[in-house]
Amino acid sequence: SQQGEEDPQALSIQEGENATMNCSYKTSINNLQWYRQNSGRGLVHLILIRSNEREKHSGRLRVTLDTSKKSSSLLITASRAADTASYFCATALVYNFNKFYFGSGTKLNVKP
Amino acid sequence: DVKVTQSSRYLVKRTGEKVFLECVQDMDHENMFWYRQDPGLGLRLIYFSYDVKMKEKGDIPEGYSVSREKKERFSLILESASTSQTSMYLCASSLGSEYGNTIYFGEGSWLTVV
Repeated sequence: SQQGEEDPQALSIQEGENATMNCSYKTSINNLQWYRQNSGRGLVHLILIRSNEREKHSGRLRVTLDTSKKSSSLLITASRAADTASYFCATALVYNFNKFYFGSGTKLNVKP
Repeated sequence: DVKVTQSSRYLVKRTGEKVFLECVQDMDHENMFWYRQDPGLGLRLIYFSYDVKMKEKGDIPEGYSVSREKKERFSLILESASTSQTSMYLCASSLGSEYGNTIYFGEGSWLTVV
């Protein structure tokens, strides 16, 4: 399976700290996306990075992509209690870019 | 505002029953997906459809079938429900584009098979 692996599985930090989570995948990708899921709800898109990009920013989010290592990281700066959620990476394959595979997720807990 | 609607939020079905999970999107998206989410296993792709009447198997298609007779509607069918299919099911849709597509998710359907 192409399914990505997020690391760590769980992360607990204090409000104001930065949170970093990583995603590794197995085969060549067209793009990689990060999603957020609040408990028991659907997933919401955060950011997309294409295979020819190395870094992307959106507000307090910073995503990097290293295609040689087949890995990506999501950094949330100055975290807030409202950032508490599970975060998933999704990969779209280079030869089937409309089909998406998700990892197992990182559960982030931001303590007030 | 974009919307993916799953018809049932919570269902309880008996072993052996035929179960239909319905999903409708209002964004004219080519692609639709059914995922299953279990604790510790993340989201696993069951089936993917890239056009009306077209489908591809995902990682775990066994015990499931799908139907896409209209572009906006994608149904997941459990032919004979088993307790191992107790899970949260997520429907999603996206445009078909090689430049990268956002996936839009429904709120999920919690299925319990007893």
